[in-house]
Amino acid sequence: EIVLTQSPGTLSLSPGERATLSCRASQSISSSYLAWYQQKPGQAPRLLIYGASSRPTDIPDTFSGSGSGTDFTLTISRLEPEDFAVYYCQQYGSSPYTFGQGTKLEIK
Amino acid sequence: QLQLQESGPGLVKPSETLSLTCTVSGGSISSSTHYWGWIRQPPGKGLEWIGMIYYSGSTYYNPSLKSRVTISVDTSKNQFSLNLSSVTAADTAVYYCARLTTGAYWYFDLWGRGTLVTVSS
Repeated sequence: EIVLTQSPGTLSLSPGERATLSCRASQSISSSYLAWYQQKPGQAPRLLIYGASSRPTDIPDTFSGSGSGTDFTLTISRLEPEDFAVYYCQQYGSSPYTFGQGTKLEIK
Repeated sequence: QLQLQESGPGLVKPSETLSLTCTVSGGSISSSTHYWGWIRQPPGKGLEWIGMIYYSGSTYYNPSLKSRVTISVDTSKNQFSLNLSSVTAADTAVYYCARLTTGAYWYFDLWGRGTLVTVSS
């Protein structure tokens, strides 16, 4: 089973700042099979990034993904109030399709 | 626009079987480029992939739950279902159904709102 470790567990920032979230895999994953999700309280997760760096059309360009192999990063270039949420990475490289434990992005 | 909606009992007794259905509306479940999956989230915790099914009936399960899980599909009703047997309090969670897009990239792009299932006597 591929274990995804996200860091930090909690990130405290202010609106307008830049956020960098990390997702590290226990073994190499094809970039095609790494996705990021945003989850707000009481809501289902929302797809932010797929293929490590591709963005669905409804996701603003303040969100970007990068990385390969075992190290992946989600960057939010300029935080808006609505961006404070929990973020999960997930891999589809091998079954079971595991999620990271999440990074909570909170307002400082 | 395609939507997914979970339905089923919100309360299940220990040792019984949890049964949920996901109804797909606004599109066909018989798509060659999609799987249909279940994910759960215990209160205050992270996400766990349970398993998924193709419209033809092919299934893939999380090994940690495989002995207790059955996912089935009914293309005539545009629905797929989850059965989880011998439940305990540890199975208390919000259960989501979701569409998995496959091909060059894989990702869950559409999710239901989720339904809370509590295991308690």
